[in-house]
Amino acid sequence: AQSVTQLGSHVSVSEGALVLLRCNYSSSVPPYLFWYVQYPNQGLQLLLKYTTGATLVKGINGFEAEFKKSETSFHLTKPSAHMSDAAEYFCAVSDSGAGGTSYGKLTFGQGTILTVHP
Amino acid sequence: DTGVSQNPRHKITKRGQNVTFRCDPISEHNRLYWYRQTLGQGPEFLTYFQNEAQLEKSRLLSDRFSAERPKGSFSTLEIQRTEQGDSAMYLCASSLGAGGPSSFTYEQYFGPGTRLTVT
Repeated sequence: AQSVTQLGSHVSVSEGALVLLRCNYSSSVPPYLFWYVQYPNQGLQLLLKYTTGATLVKGINGFEAEFKKSETSFHLTKPSAHMSDAAEYFCAVSDSGAGGTSYGKLTFGQGTILTVHP
Repeated sequence: DTGVSQNPRHKITKRGQNVTFRCDPISEHNRLYWYRQTLGQGPEFLTYFQNEAQLEKSRLLSDRFSAERPKGSFSTLEIQRTEQGDSAMYLCASSLGAGGPSSFTYEQYFGPGTRLTVT
């Protein structure tokens, strides 16, 4: 079974400040990890993903995340927040398929609402 | 590539009525997923299709729910005898899976969702 915990349901930062959204996962097999962003009344848009290889992954809109296996974490960061970053962010894990049945279904965290103040 | 589309975007229905939602995936994608998202929560997996075959269903999918994907193209999700607890956003996603059902799958692309309100 897989699970995701996002620490902090709400995060508030000033424009230009560092954004840090925390995600910890649990998985019995090598995971694939994802961050999605959701704007009000819209679907989810993929920001970035980790599958294999380099543990620091870069995504769209200046976001990046680092996979730390020892800490079972996949925190999302952005050096300088912009007003347009205000949205809800979801961390998700899927089974990589190694050694078992995988349909690629995603298990999501509960989400973190990011507010950016001018 | 026009992305994943879902219709209708909003549906208001009275308790006890049946509703049907449609999802049109990205045309070359062979995998299709349905998720449900309630207020303040992350999406939860409902069911998965590989082409036209429904390969997995969540325990969340009670016998009032049925999903189909005829000919491996669009998919429909029907809810019979709706209850107020069915009020949620229903999201569809598609992806391109390489090889068989147990193989690595590429990232999922989500549609805008159908928001269901049961009164």
